Amino acid sequence: DAGVIQSPRHEVTEMGQEVTLRCKPISGHDYLFWYRQTMMRGLELLIYFNNNVPIDDSGMPEDRFSAKMPNASFSTLKIQPSEPRDSAVYFCASSPGLQETQYFGPGTRLLVL
Amino acid sequence: AQSVTQPDIHITVSEGASLELRCNYSYGATPYLFWYVQSPGQGLQLLLKYFSGDTLVQGIKGFEAEFKRSQSSFNLRKPSVHWSDAAEYFCAVGAAGSARQLTFGSGTQLTVLP
Repeated sequence: DAGVIQSPRHEVTEMGQEVTLRCKPISGHDYLFWYRQTMMRGLELLIYFNNNVPIDDSGMPEDRFSAKMPNASFSTLKIQPSEPRDSAVYFCASSPGLQETQYFGPGTRLLVL
Repeated sequence: AQSVTQPDIHITVSEGASLELRCNYSYGATPYLFWYVQSPGQGLQLLLKYFSGDTLVQGIKGFEAEFKRSQSSFNLRKPSVHWSDAAEYFCAVGAAGSARQLTFGSGTQLTVLP
């Protein structure tokens, strides 16, 4: 298996622009997680899905952030409008069960100018 | 609520020396415990995990960790460190039997001296 795939790997954008991050989980994994990693706050869970349904989005910082999972093999995390404080590394992870090992993608490094 | 503490922000060891990274957790029942490693510019890779059973867990790359319930700890060890082990290490706890997801520690940065 190719593992969790994320795109793009790097994104540089200007404040106010829309940013879309993409994730393809490992085939057969029912759970998908979006994390954000910053120096100040470490690794934070933003949202997770089970069978394409959002279960807990309490970690989403504000309404500018939205996440979707239209099918079992694809998820997006969208920031609109983006702000400099959104600059971080965003990780996607998937797992076959909620309490099973989460496998992480390589991350998307986002810089908002 | 569950929490994880990694008291050492940065550790430096010489190549060939032994290593122990500390992790303390807070959770009311039996936790699921994980150690992940993150190399610069890379994602997180699972080193090992503890769900139940033998409290000494073997992982990849020669790492092991021991779950000590009485001390609420899950320290990571390696008898002889290699230069390629330089990375950031994260301990994480998941709550067994509930809908909670992983909580990560703040990480320990490991530097290996030649």
